[in-house]
Amino acid sequence: GESVGLHLPTLSVQEGDNSIINCAYSNSASDYFIWYKQESGKGPQFIIDIRSNMDKRQGQRVTVLLNKTVKHLSLQIAATQPGDSAVYFCAENARDDKIIFGKGTRLHILP
Amino acid sequence: SAVISQKPSRDICQRGTSLTIQCQVDSQVTMMFWYRQQPGQSLTLIATANQGSEATYESGFVIDKFPISRPNLTFSTLTVSNMSPEDSSIYLCSVATSTDTQYFGPGTRLTVL
Repeated sequence: GESVGLHLPTLSVQEGDNSIINCAYSNSASDYFIWYKQESGKGPQFIIDIRSNMDKRQGQRVTVLLNKTVKHLSLQIAATQPGDSAVYFCAENARDDKIIFGKGTRLHILP
Repeated sequence: SAVISQKPSRDICQRGTSLTIQCQVDSQVTMMFWYRQQPGQSLTLIATANQGSEATYESGFVIDKFPISRPNLTFSTLTVSNMSPEDSSIYLCSVATSTDTQYFGPGTRLTVL
C-alpha cells in the first residue's frame, strides 16, 4: 500500500460538478479494492468496492475504475454535494484478509 | 452491514495509565480488527483479534503494549498500556463479513497528557 503522509492532499470541487479522486496501489497481488469515506469525528464508511476481475463498477452517484496495468484506482462522484465533504481513502486487500489503507484525500466542496 | 459500537467514544488519560476500549457488534462476524489513526493520517492495522486464541499483531505492535481479547464472535477489547502522549490517536475496530468487506466502528479518540 501507499506510505502514510504527514498531511492529506486536498481536492476542491464546485458544488454540482463531478469529483475524481485518484489512488495508486503497490501490491500487484491485491485482488479486492474498497473506497471509504470518513467524515470528521466518525469511523470510515464503506462506499463501494471492486474486485480485480472487473475494471468498472457503479453505485448510486459513485463509480470506481480499476486499471490493473498501472495499478491505479479512481473514485468518481457525480454532482458533488456539500454532504460529500470528507476524507476519502482507498484500500486494498491482498488475499490475506488484511486491508491496507492509502493515505487519503480530503474533498472540499466550494459553494 | 454490521452495526458496530465502541466504548468509550473518547477519553483523556494520564501518562503511565492504561485504557481498555470495547468493541461490540450486533451480529456474529468471522474477523475483527483493531486500527490506529494518528492525527491527520491514514489507518494502520494494529492486530487481528482471533476468537479463542491470541491476537495476530502487525509489525511494530506488541502484545505487552496492546493486549487484545476476543471472548466471542461479537465482542473484543483493546487495551493501550502504559500510555504516553505518542499514543494519542483514534482507535478503531472493524469487522469483516463473509464478503471480505470491512466495516468500521465510530472510533475511540484518546488523548494522553
